[in-house]
Amino acid sequence: EAGVAQSPRYKIIEKRQSVAFWCNPISGHATLYWYQQILGQGPKLLIQFQNNGVVDDSQLPKDRFSAERLKGVDSTLKIQPAKLEDSAVYLCASSLDGLASSYEQYFGPGTRLTVT
Amino acid sequence: GENVEQHPSTLSVQEGDSAVIKCTYSDSASNYFPWYKQELGKGPQLIIDIRSNVGEKKDQRIAVTLNKTAKHFSLHITETQPEDSAVYFCAASVMGTGANNLFFGTGTRLTVIP
Repeated sequence: EAGVAQSPRYKIIEKRQSVAFWCNPISGHATLYWYQQILGQGPKLLIQFQNNGVVDDSQLPKDRFSAERLKGVDSTLKIQPAKLEDSAVYLCASSLDGLASSYEQYFGPGTRLTVT
Repeated sequence: GENVEQHPSTLSVQEGDSAVIKCTYSDSASNYFPWYKQELGKGPQLIIDIRSNVGEKKDQRIAVTLNKTAKHFSLHITETQPEDSAVYFCAASVMGTGANNLFFGTGTRLTVIP
């Protein structure tokens, strides 16, 4: 079974530029998550989708970050404009349905963003 | 919100020895506690998890214990091998409500010395 796919793996941009990350979850997984992992810290949730609907985006800085999952499969996370403090690894994870039957979240390899 | 603390931040053990990593959580409603292993340049890999209705779970050389009263849980790795070297994260979550935010600890860098 293929795991969670993410691209690109690395991205370097200047502050105030925009950037987009792509995620393809494990086939059949209804729930998709975006996490931000700053160097030396644990991942922090940015947004959770159930199919193509948003379940939790309370930690998403909505003035600059946006995310979508239009067809309930792939997802895109965008930052515009980027700030220096956005330098981090952006991780995508998926789980079967997010309900009591399946709690396990499986992570992709992440996209390492450097903002200069 | 939930606050998860993890100790130690670094741990070095001799190959074959045991390693123990401890975490505490603040939200008594948390009912799901996974452990992840993260190798350099890779995403976190789920290695074991435990739900609040269970006190202990074991999978080969890895075990997790949970004390709900004290709000702490621990990861035990026995007979450590060099390939166990990585950063380990504990996490806590309130599952069953639809919103499944995992709150992570700050990580433990485990080094197994051959």
